[in-house]
Amino acid sequence: EAQVTQNPRYLITVTGKKLTVTCSQNMNHEYMSWYRQDPGLGLRQIYYSMNVEVTDKGDVPEGYKVSRKEKRNFPLILESPSPNQTSLYFCASSRRGTGDAYGYTFGSGTRLTVV
Amino acid sequence: SQKIEQNSEALNIQEGKTATLTCNYTNYSPAYLQWYRQDPGRGPVFLLLIRENEKEKRKERLKVTFDTTLKQSLFHITASQPADSATYLCAPDNYGQNFVFGPGTRLSVLP
Repeated sequence: EAQVTQNPRYLITVTGKKLTVTCSQNMNHEYMSWYRQDPGLGLRQIYYSMNVEVTDKGDVPEGYKVSRKEKRNFPLILESPSPNQTSLYFCASSRRGTGDAYGYTFGSGTRLTVV
Repeated sequence: SQKIEQNSEALNIQEGKTATLTCNYTNYSPAYLQWYRQDPGRGPVFLLLIRENEKEKRKERLKVTFDTTLKQSLFHITASQPADSATYLCAPDNYGQNFVFGPGTRLSVLP
């Protein structure tokens, strides 16, 4: 089954303790992206990657890191989480072709709470 | 800066009627516009994509229009059903750079 897999689904952590949220897709998609969703603020892009070793900032990159060492994986790293990073996180991937665009496939989400 | 507006936060309609959702954008010239459905606590699900040179796109009971002059897209669900109740998001797209979602419209289809 074609899918984007995020882990964990739920995570409670303490301020300052480094964590990684994993994202993996099995569709050979070039494009991957991370979003956070907060009530009243909608979906906001954190980072995106157009292909392996190519990443760029979205609208809210502060406090986050990403890497794209291989095509299928795009982990989101919080080096020193703070309570304002409590949110619902989604990873998404898409096929990209020159001069065209395709719909995104989203993961099931990771609900992160930082206390 | 780019701004995306969707006509209302919530829309209630009777089963069987046509639901029309609006997406307006400013300071932006997207090559595509995408529509997604999102159920509570779940990831958005892709529904339709329309290109800037297309006026209309259909898929089963769904229809999307794209007016680049008005900077507006309309999303229609005909013969609506309670199962169509969800939040619908529009997303103007320029190949993934600054891929921004609208705030969404929560649709409730009443039996």
